[in-house]
Amino acid sequence: AQSVTQLGSHVSVSEGALVLLRCNYSSSVPPYLFWYVQYPNQGLQLLLKYTSAATLVKGINGFEAEFKKSETSFHLTKPSAHMSDAAEYFCAVSELRQLTFGSGTQLTVLP
Amino acid sequence: NAGVTQTPKFQVLKTGQSMTLQCAQDMNHNSMYWYRQDPGMGLRLIYYSASEGTTDKGEVPNGYNVSRLNKREFSLRLESAAPSQTSVYFCASSEWTGRNTEAFFGQGTRLTVV
Repeated sequence: AQSVTQLGSHVSVSEGALVLLRCNYSSSVPPYLFWYVQYPNQGLQLLLKYTSAATLVKGINGFEAEFKKSETSFHLTKPSAHMSDAAEYFCAVSELRQLTFGSGTQLTVLP
Repeated sequence: NAGVTQTPKFQVLKTGQSMTLQCAQDMNHNSMYWYRQDPGMGLRLIYYSASEGTTDKGEVPNGYNVSRLNKREFSLRLESAAPSQTSVYFCASSEWTGRNTEAFFGQGTRLTVV
């Protein structure tokens, strides 16, 4: 079975600093990977997805992620954090007809 | 454009009570899902329905039943609620065309069992 592991359940950055949220995957076949964001008291919203067309994937709100097969990673980055980026972020992998999620990373942005 | 609508948004149950969580989508998607979200555990799949008329167990199906009433609606039933079922429940839908298909989520139902 495929799985994803998110390193760091909580990440704090200062406003304007680089955001780096880590996700590693385990898969015996080429993975299809997703990043979702959850704002407080809301459902999940797709940020971006990797589908093998390009290793660097750009998403909404200035986020991007790079697929690195050699490191089995799909880390999420944003060059400059904004207060509005404070949320919980989930990495997910697609298998059969299901999405399997990581445990989530809570991002706090400090003024 | 409503997307995925869940009702109710909040519910408190006593142990042993039953209830049904409702979910409807207006995107004409073929697949629908129920997840539960618990702190530190991400989202775990309870049941899913690949298409109208079919349902399958996910990772944590015990204590739950589902009904795919029609293409739009997918309900989740707790027959005898337990405190371990205190969680936030999310319904999702997708137009499954392959493994690169994303899911669209409702706003969630926050359930407390006392």
